[in-house]
Amino acid sequence: SQTIHQWPATLVQPVGSPLSLECTVEGTSNPNLYWYRQAAGRGLQLLFYSVGIGQISSEVPQNLSASRPQDRQFILSSKKLLLSDSGFYLCAWSVLSSGTGVLLANVLTFGAGSRLTVL
Amino acid sequence: LAKTTQPISMDSYEGQEVNITCSHNNIATNDYITWYQQFPSQGPRFIIQGYKTKVTNEVASLFIPADRKSSTLSLPRVSLSDTAVYYCLVGDGYSTLTFGKGTMLLVSP
Repeated sequence: SQTIHQWPATLVQPVGSPLSLECTVEGTSNPNLYWYRQAAGRGLQLLFYSVGIGQISSEVPQNLSASRPQDRQFILSSKKLLLSDSGFYLCAWSVLSSGTGVLLANVLTFGAGSRLTVL
Repeated sequence: LAKTTQPISMDSYEGQEVNITCSHNNIATNDYITWYQQFPSQGPRFIIQGYKTKVTNEVASLFIPADRKSSTLSLPRVSLSDTAVYYCLVGDGYSTLTFGKGTMLLVSP
């Protein structure tokens, strides 16, 4: 079965420090990978998505970046954190192919999330 | 991308059936309707997906009228543990999914 791992679960970072959040998926090949962010009391904001190694699409211009060095690894980074980067970061995956009566590409499986507090 | 509109919040009591309606007036021919559930400090979890008419699984039912401009998620006999945020999303599998603010369902004893 497929599993998704995301770490660290929580972190507190000072303004201006770097960031690295990592996400790995097991049990599937060539998944679509996503990074979402949820600020307190708000909906999920799509930050980046990737359909393959080295293929990254950015939804929101900001001081964050993403990389996909391997098929099932997705990394969210920042060189210098801002206060506004605080939030709950979620990695997710899906597959592109469709099953019978189900559009699997729209069935996202999320990781447990990483709560980032920038002070 | 088809935009969705759903109530900000709903209240219910244990044992009642809850129906959450989502409007998606500009849904495209290739779009599917997908619902997610999110508990605090967790990622959303897939509940159900449909294209037209009715879909039922062990968790919920999804009703979609013929014009597909809306959909209703039905949760039978809710319990306290069903208190969560419910998101309605529409997409064709090639465009990225946009999560709105969802509907906060509060189930009381």
